[in-house]
Amino acid sequence: AQRVTQPEKLLSVFKGAPVELKCNYSYSGSPELFWYVQYSRQRLQLLLRHISRESIKGFTADLNKGETSFHLKKPFAQEEDSAMYYCALLPTYSGAGSYQLTFGKGTKLSVIP
Amino acid sequence: NAGVTQTPKFRVLKTGQSMTLLCAQDMNHEYMYWYRQDPGMGLRLIHYSVGEGTTAKGEVPDGYNVSRLKKQNFLLGLESAAPSQTSVYFCASSKDRARSYEQYFGPGTRLTVT
Repeated sequence: AQRVTQPEKLLSVFKGAPVELKCNYSYSGSPELFWYVQYSRQRLQLLLRHISRESIKGFTADLNKGETSFHLKKPFAQEEDSAMYYCALLPTYSGAGSYQLTFGKGTKLSVIP
Repeated sequence: NAGVTQTPKFRVLKTGQSMTLLCAQDMNHEYMYWYRQDPGMGLRLIHYSVGEGTTAKGEVPDGYNVSRLKKQNFLLGLESAAPSQTSVYFCASSKDRARSYEQYFGPGTRLTVT
């Protein structure tokens, strides 16, 4: 079974400082990894996926298969980045459960003005 | 487009009472999901559906039942509520299997069982 670990429940950084939200996973195959974000009083929404390799709202995430990590990074934090961030894994095998996301427990990012 | 809507937004139940949470989506999505969100536990999948008339168990299905009689609706039932079911419940939908990673979430239902 797959597992997603986000070691930090809370991460506080000052505005303008770099941000790195950690995500590690365990999965026997080659997974797809994603970051979801939930801003205050808003719905949980997809932020980015590793396959697209794009930057969304200044955030990037690189899949490191050797370290089984998918850390979310931003060079300069903004106050509007304050939110709950969830790392999620989608198995790539076919069959039952292959379309179920497994979420980490989430990290609350607080950007201090 | 309302997207994914959930009814009710809040509910307080006494232990042993029953209730049904309604999820509706207007995006013609095939897949629908029910999650619960608890502090320190993240999102855990309760049940899901890959199409009208189909349902399957997720990670934490005990104490819950679901039905998907219409494509746009996914109902979550609690037959005999317990305090351990106090949680925030989220419904989500995705277009199909190929895009199952892109889930659209509802606003959540905050349930308290006393």
